Order: sequence, then structure tokens, then C-alpha cells
Amino acid sequence: AQKVTQAQTEISVVEKEDVTLDCVYETRDTTYYLFWYKQPPSGELVFLIRRNSFDEQNEISGRYSWNFQKSTSSFNFTITASQVVDSAVYFCALSEVDSNYQLIWGAGTKLIIKP
Amino acid sequence: DTGVSQDPRHKITKRGQNVTFRCDPISEHNRLYWYRQTLGQGPEFLTYFQNEAQLEKSRLLSDRFSAERPKGSFSTLEIQRTEQGDSAMYLCASSFVGGNTEAFFGQGTRLTVV
Repeated sequence: AQKVTQAQTEISVVEKEDVTLDCVYETRDTTYYLFWYKQPPSGELVFLIRRNSFDEQNEISGRYSWNFQKSTSSFNFTITASQVVDSAVYFCALSEVDSNYQLIWGAGTKLIIKP
Repeated sequence: DTGVSQDPRHKITKRGQNVTFRCDPISEHNRLYWYRQTLGQGPEFLTYFQNEAQLEKSRLLSDRFSAERPKGSFSTLEIQRTEQGDSAMYLCASSFVGGNTEAFFGQGTRLTVV
């Protein structure tokens, strides 16, 4: 069974629109961590955020915000006022105690921001 | 420290040849991971080290693949008798042990087997 699901394979929006990338996870651990990474065309995976399972507070960092809801096992990522430079593949990942903290990756969502 | 570095960035090799990649992690990190990524897919776990000990190796990993981290610092990944299906981006990442710190990735080595 897939533990991290990113149902949106590709999203295309026009610059300045808001966009939300969905991430749904599955775990039996009570202690786990969720991550978002960005992979621009250059290929390097860039860390964006880490949340632990005990902290459901939403987080905002500039134009980026994350909505963590344990009730729906979701950790969604919103970009406000998108820019062309936001174009990339975005990966959601899960790390669990039972998996010795290895990262379990979603399939990624390709985000295209059109000028 | 400038982050995780990988060498080479690109490698083209003929089928049947051996190749070796190097990864230098962030110096204070004790955990080092190798992943493989093909186009349109997420990273696929290959193996990881905690200090110099190789703690886990993916069941999907052929015995043509071997990794070392001899002194708990840099690591090498060797692929023997390369096949066209080995063509991929090979990513290295490092972190502190435990889940409460993120993994930092290098820029990857893109392997093309012709």
C-alpha cells in the first residue's frame, strides 16, 4: 500500500494564482515526520519544511504555507501568488520510527507556472 | 560547509563497464543515503549508512551495486557491469540520525549507459 500519495501528477496555473498541492499519508506510528521537498529543473532536491506528528500548527513562510491535519492524514502545501520560479516538481515524504526514519516518498507533483 | 557534494555530475558509460560515484556529506552528519531517481518518479531508496556501518540495503538492489563509507565520512557507490536500465540520477543525502532532522541532498550524478 502506498504510504504517501500525491494524487496530482501535474498542475498548471497562471502566474499570481494560488495553488495547493495535496499530500495524503498513511502510518501506524504515533511519532512520525512529514516533509516537503522541491526539485527544480536543475535536479537538486531542496528541503522546504519538516513537521512532526505532535505539532499540527499550520506554518507560513513567505508565500508558502502548509496545512497539517491528522484527522484526514493530510499535509497540503499552498503557494500564494505563484511565480514562474516556483515551477518544479514537489515531493511530499514521510519518516517513521518503524522505518528507522527513512524517507518514504510520494510520486511528486509537477507544478507549471505560466507567465 | 557547502553542503552535500557529488562527483561526477554526469557520467556516460558503455554497457558492461563499471562506474563509481562519490558523495561527500555535510561533515557533521552521521547518516548518509543513496537514492536512485528515474524520470517522472520519486527517489527510490538504495542504501544507507550510519557512520561507517551500512544498516540497510534495498531488496531491489542488484548485487552489481555496492556502496562503502570506509571512515564514516565520504561514500562511494559502485555499479559493476552496467546495464541500460541503470541509467538514472543517483542522489546522495545526509542527515543526523533520527527523524527530527531533514536530509540534505547533493545535486546528483546522472548516469547514462549506452
